[in-house]
Amino acid sequence: EPEVTQTPSHQVTQMGQEVILRCVPISNHLYFYWYRQILGQKVEFLVSFYNNEISEKSEIFDDQFSVERPDGSNFTLKIRSTKLEDSAMYFCASKGQGVSYEQYFGPGTRLTVT
Amino acid sequence: AQSVTQLGSHVSVSEGALVLLRCNYSSSVPPYLFWYVQYPNQGLQLLLKYTTGATLVKGINGFEAEFKKSETSFHLTKPSAHMSDAAEYFCAVSASGSARQLTFGSGTQLTVLP
Repeated sequence: EPEVTQTPSHQVTQMGQEVILRCVPISNHLYFYWYRQILGQKVEFLVSFYNNEISEKSEIFDDQFSVERPDGSNFTLKIRSTKLEDSAMYFCASKGQGVSYEQYFGPGTRLTVT
Repeated sequence: AQSVTQLGSHVSVSEGALVLLRCNYSSSVPPYLFWYVQYPNQGLQLLLKYTTGATLVKGINGFEAEFKKSETSFHLTKPSAHMSDAAEYFCAVSASGSARQLTFGSGTQLTVLP
């Protein structure tokens, strides 16, 4: 069964450093998402991406964040200058186009900013 | 705008007992509703979804949920709890528009007692 994959599973970085989280969505999907979950809190939407551009973004997704689909398979989230409060689990998701409206989630990347 | 309220951050049931996890939503458009399960240190797995049609939807692992528009509810039930059901459960509503990003509730941690 197709699945969304994410790398790395755990990333530790120092405050102020740039990080790139990588995702490989399901191959025939057209919509891509990033969500985050701070420890003990709810899952929060960050950004959605369709047709090589951002379609929606939340207030959390400020200028420190960017997304890219550099090739036909990868979907990345970059945080330019990490802060302690960026520590969270980051989930990538993808969705096909059609009536199912079901998003498939990856296993997540745990980002720890020290 | 959409929002989701999950009543009860922690629910404990005995093995074999009925599971009832509550979810109420707010949506300015006809909602698409989802229940996801998250096992420890894992990603989000879709249990079931309601988009249109039959209001009682069945999902994986014996779970089902009923969409009640008049009560703006989408409660999750399972007739008989199993130890393997212990996990965190998230209710979510999707936004309008093609991307349909998800708004999650704060989650309910289900404990199953032997």
